[in-house]
Amino acid sequence: SQKIEQNSEALNIQEGKTATLTCNYTNYSPAYLQWYRQDPGRGPVFLLLIRENEKEKRKERLKVTFDTTLKQSLFHITASQPADSATYLCALEPSNTDKLIFGTGTRLQVFP
Amino acid sequence: KAGVTQTPRYLIKTRGQQVTLSCSPISGHRSVSWYQQTPGQGLQFLFEYFSETQRNKGNFPGRFSGRQFSNSRSEMNVSTLELGDSALYLCASSLEPTGGGQETQYFGPGTRLLVL
Repeated sequence: SQKIEQNSEALNIQEGKTATLTCNYTNYSPAYLQWYRQDPGRGPVFLLLIRENEKEKRKERLKVTFDTTLKQSLFHITASQPADSATYLCALEPSNTDKLIFGTGTRLQVFP
Repeated sequence: KAGVTQTPRYLIKTRGQQVTLSCSPISGHRSVSWYQQTPGQGLQFLFEYFSETQRNKGNFPGRFSGRQFSNSRSEMNVSTLELGDSALYLCASSLEPTGGGQETQYFGPGTRLLVL
């Protein structure tokens, strides 16, 4: 069956460290993968999009990788700050569906 | 530029009632998608509208319906509410329809619906 899996357990890290979140997918062949941030009580906010022919994408302290062989995307936040605490969602669009499918998200908690 | 707005923000209904939620997309955006978010199921796609036409629909019963107006504003309706319909309903807009997964979606703050 088709699945997008993100670690459901919260990730707790210390301020200044690098946070790494994982998104694994099964039985999809997406051309793009997106990452969003969601704060409690708010809608998701788009962060980054990576194409299948891109190995890595960066934006300020954020870095996303996309391994179509492993069917995995990694999302890194370097020099993490308490303000980075939120739930991070990955999303992809299965071929020929025109529907954006989201993972269940991983909650990141950065403590001082 | 104003973001996506949704009204109402909070709603309490009882089983069997119906509800209408409204979404105003970012100015110039022509595509509106609706999602249901629950702790157990995460964010699930309901439907997408573009140019007043439903382009796509998720796996939800016919009690869930929507429409889009000529100004791109959209409404979704849920009839015969069930307890399981309690959720955060999110609307997202984009310039063009989602196709291939490269279109960025801009989400509203959501409508929190509680069915008693």
